[in-house]
Amino acid sequence: DGGITQSPKYLFRKEGQNVTLSCEQNLNHDAMYWYRQDPGQGLRLIYYSQIVNDFQKGDIAEGYSVSREKKESFPLTVTSAQKNPTAFYLCASTPTSGGTYEQYFGPGTRLTVT
Amino acid sequence: KQEVTQIPAALSVPEGENLVLNCSFTDSAIYNLQWFRQDPGKGLTSLLLIQSSQREQTSGRLNASLDKSSGRSTLYIAASQPGDSATYLCAVRQPRGADGLTFGKGTHLIIQP
Repeated sequence: DGGITQSPKYLFRKEGQNVTLSCEQNLNHDAMYWYRQDPGQGLRLIYYSQIVNDFQKGDIAEGYSVSREKKESFPLTVTSAQKNPTAFYLCASTPTSGGTYEQYFGPGTRLTVT
Repeated sequence: KQEVTQIPAALSVPEGENLVLNCSFTDSAIYNLQWFRQDPGKGLTSLLLIQSSQREQTSGRLNASLDKSSGRSTLYIAASQPGDSATYLCAVRQPRGADGLTFGKGTHLIIQP
């Protein structure tokens, strides 16, 4: 089955620790994305990558970092510099060939920092 | 900067009713518009994708329309069922294709049995 996997589903960390969220896709999509979802605020774009070894900041990149060493993987690190890291994090991917640019989402990781 | 607004924020209707969810966006220069469904604690499921050159798309009991010039889209759900209860999100993609989506805050829909 093709799809996007995110692990773990729930993640708990102490304040001051960095944490890395995993995102893997086997859809052969070139573009991958990270969004953050907070209650009442909708989804906001953190980072995105259109090809391997290249990525761009989204609207709320401060306190986050990413890498794209493989086409199928786009891990997100939440650093201690992120002031309010507790949120629901969603990974997505999009095919860039064919022209439709339909976006597909993973199941999400809920991060709680105390 | 693109802004997307969804009205109403919440809606509760009896089973069997037809209903319309609204989405508006401030910059009409979009590449496409996508409607998603989100169940509590889950990821997003794509329902319908409308390209900027299209006026509507249909899938089963769902019909989405797009009026790009006025910055509006509607999602029509026919013969609603309790299983349709979820949050429905509208998102637009700008003309630069692979850039990210801009989302509305969603409409929380409850279908009463």
